Amino acid sequence: SSELTQDPAVSVALGQTVRITCQGDSLRSYYASWYQQKPGQAPILVMYGKNNRPSGIPDRFSGSSSGNTASLTITGAQAEDEADYYCNCRDRSAMVFGGGTKLSVL
Amino acid sequence: QVTLKESGPVLVKPTETLTLTCTVSGFSLTNARMGVSWIRQPPGKALQWLAHIFSNDEKSYTSSLRSSLTISKDTSKSQVVLTMTNMDPVDTATYFCARIREATCSSVSCYSYYFDSWGQGTLVTVSS
Repeated sequence: SSELTQDPAVSVALGQTVRITCQGDSLRSYYASWYQQKPGQAPILVMYGKNNRPSGIPDRFSGSSSGNTASLTITGAQAEDEADYYCNCRDRSAMVFGGGTKLSVL
Repeated sequence: QVTLKESGPVLVKPTETLTLTCTVSGFSLTNARMGVSWIRQPPGKALQWLAHIFSNDEKSYTSSLRSSLTISKDTSKSQVVLTMTNMDPVDTATYFCARIREATCSSVSCYSYYFDSWGQGTLVTVSS
């Protein structure tokens, strides 16, 4: 089955910009979706499709994709953005998650 | 308001069968381009997609557990049920159900799938 690869950990200074990436062959065929998960909580959707933010997600979150790589960018990271971020994509008839990226806001 | 709620045992013994129920509200399991997925997360580890069922009854399973998983739905009860046979301690995890949507569709295929609403999750421990 296909895999999605994410960097295990990324850090960003408060107010700066950070890009979280996700790589996998299935991203050539399908858009990624992105989820934020804080400790003890269920994940929430933060980005899907070409560059779609669900209602309530701040506009500092944006998404992009090129070839086999999808990216989630946070422009002006806030303390509350510190969390685990997971990408997900369709792979033939199944779905697959990346291994997650732990974002630290310094 | 869309809600999903997982229910099932908190403790199962090795080799037993786990049955989890996801009860949804705020949408119908017959709505087009929607379905329900099961996703699990072992303590301290990443999310793992397990299975989904769409309104047209399309079903799919993760390849590594295909032989042990069964997903079904009862639209009259607004419930989706996942069974997992031959449980093992490595299956200890929080199990989530989530609504899956498909979008950006042509006449033959869709290119965007996402989980827009999640249940709170239920922790299942496998131990004798």
